[in-house]
Amino acid sequence: AQTVTQSQPEMSVQEAETVTLSCTYDTSESNYYLFWYKQPPSRQMILVIRQEAYKQQNATENRFSVNFQKAAKSFSLKISDSQLGDTAMYFCAFMRAGGTSYGKLTFGQGTILTVHP
Amino acid sequence: GAVVSQHPSRVICKSGTSVKIECRSLDFQATTMFWYRQFPKQSLMLMATSNEGSKATYEQGVEKDKFLINHASLTLSTLTVTSAHPEDSSFYICSARDAPYNSPLHFGNGTRLTVT
Repeated sequence: AQTVTQSQPEMSVQEAETVTLSCTYDTSESNYYLFWYKQPPSRQMILVIRQEAYKQQNATENRFSVNFQKAAKSFSLKISDSQLGDTAMYFCAFMRAGGTSYGKLTFGQGTILTVHP
Repeated sequence: GAVVSQHPSRVICKSGTSVKIECRSLDFQATTMFWYRQFPKQSLMLMATSNEGSKATYEQGVEKDKFLINHASLTLSTLTVTSAHPEDSSFYICSARDAPYNSPLHFGNGTRLTVT
């Protein structure tokens, strides 16, 4: 079984600054995907970024980037130039690759991020 | 872009009654859909995998007779909470994926169930 751990229940950052959210995971799988999802007060799940485990290069999406350390099983999210609209709960998630497992996500506990003006 | 519609967004029911939640893929065929449950300020927990034309696969600890899942078409999965009790009050979210492997996942907007 896989486990995903987010050790920061809450984080806060000033607008325009940079913040890093931590995530570690445990798995015996060699091929998998990792995700960061954002859940604003509307409760809609929004994909922030996705990383394939076989890719060594860290994924980036505009102001969002990850630091993927496969050996350490660490997958942190860096948000640069934080904006008020980034205020949300952020979930790290794991998914096995292939077959019937594709689409089944294991989520971390979540980190509530508040961006202050 | 691909959209998953979940209905209703909110429902209040009395203890002992049953409630049906629909998850519909609007512009793609979803051979597989997933149902999650989320308590306030907590994580999403996978309840079951819904497969078109076959029985759902439930995660350990989820009562299949309590949470009935039907996936009768390639665009619709339903979750029925039977004989609901206050402890079933929660936020239920579905997700769906298109048939091709490696296609993105799409989430519904969720349903807030309150059992009084």
